[in-house]
Amino acid sequence: DVKVTQSSRYLVKRTGEKVFLECVQDMDHENMFWYRQDPGLGLRLIYFSYDVKMKEKGDIPEGYSVSREKKERFSLILESASTNQTSMYLCASSSPGTSGYNEQFFGPGTRLTVL
Amino acid sequence: SQQGEEDPQALSIQEGENATMNCSYKTSINNLQWYRQNSGRGLVHLILIRSNEREKHSGRLRVTLDTSKKSSSLLITASRAADTASYFCATEGSGGSNYKLTFGKGTLLTVNP
Repeated sequence: DVKVTQSSRYLVKRTGEKVFLECVQDMDHENMFWYRQDPGLGLRLIYFSYDVKMKEKGDIPEGYSVSREKKERFSLILESASTNQTSMYLCASSSPGTSGYNEQFFGPGTRLTVL
Repeated sequence: SQQGEEDPQALSIQEGENATMNCSYKTSINNLQWYRQNSGRGLVHLILIRSNEREKHSGRLRVTLDTSKKSSSLLITASRAADTASYFCATEGSGGSNYKLTFGKGTLLTVNP
């Protein structure tokens, strides 16, 4: 089974702190994604990566950056955390496989609170 | 931008009843997927239907896709209390999206014992 792990389930940070959210997948997937989930807004894509060192902006990249130095690890960075970044952060991975159609496998999520 | 829109936003039924959730989208797609999320957890993939398919079954799940109406429905038959969760549709757009998915806002299903 594919396993996607995230470094923390719950995280509390102060405004202005630099925050690192780590995601690791163990199935050699090419694609990795970071979403945030807020009540009433559903899942919104922040950044995604389709290969090592490659990244593309999603729908809401402002205030975030990402790093993918190894295939299995995709990090989300909040350079200077703000209270409006309080949210549930979900990481996912996928691979086209032989069929070319791919589903995403999600981690358990990190609930980040910025005070 | 949000592609899929689920309807209804919330649904409450009794155990044993069927639950139907609908999803509408705006642009052409390669496939449409349904996911489930238990409270406070990550999403779990349920079923994928390709743009050239009209209906698909998996256990108690039945998904239909009408590309002319840009809509899909998810039917859960003989529901159980353990089916209580949020259900999301997600679309993979056609035209080189690098396998990005666009998720709807979800339907919260409550199955009462």
